[in-house]
Amino acid sequence: DAKTTQPNSMESNEEEPVHLPCNHSTISGTDYIHWYRQLPSQGPEYVIHGLTSNVNNRMASLAIAEDRKSSTLILHRATLRDAAVYYCILRDGLNGQNFVFGPGTRLSVLP
Amino acid sequence: DTEVTQTPKHLVMGMTNKKSLKCEQHMGHRAMYWYKQKAKKPPELMFVYSYEKLSINESVPSRFSPECPNSSLLNLHLHALQPEDSALYLCASSQGDASNYGYTFGSGTRLTVV
Repeated sequence: DAKTTQPNSMESNEEEPVHLPCNHSTISGTDYIHWYRQLPSQGPEYVIHGLTSNVNNRMASLAIAEDRKSSTLILHRATLRDAAVYYCILRDGLNGQNFVFGPGTRLSVLP
Repeated sequence: DTEVTQTPKHLVMGMTNKKSLKCEQHMGHRAMYWYKQKAKKPPELMFVYSYEKLSINESVPSRFSPECPNSSLLNLHLHALQPEDSALYLCASSQGDASNYGYTFGSGTRLTVV
């Protein structure tokens, strides 16, 4: 399985942008990059996903490097509610069922 | 309806008990999943059902028995569990197996084995 590496933890100030990095140097051409987050005492929540082009939705933006070996999740204005563990996951293009979580990045947002 | 509903939210069971966890979705998703999550760890995949057939069993002990009675329902039957099986059990669904589909997760069942 293609693996991802993320920093263990990051801190941000409220109302400032946050850039959460993810490295996936062994990504294959058909793997989609997915981001999920898990708030305390809740199940993981879908944030965004993409293949090659940058993606935007109401929650965040996803910037994908041209060689696809890394990506960055961008929260444009962090709020206290964004404090969570953020997971970057590659969904295997050949076996999409095997959706494996890595350790993720624990984001703290300071008021 | 855009939710995955898991019941019960909390469950305490003895090591000789038999209990079941239930998961339901009405989004027409054809793939459903069970994950186990220990405190401060990421979710670990246990089982995958695709079109109501078991397609992945990640070497889970037989004291955990999944069942998919129809495309909207997923159960996890528990029998003779050990205290180390105490965890948050998460159910998820997705439209299909393709890698461009996202997952929808339930809030989980917090299981304590005494």
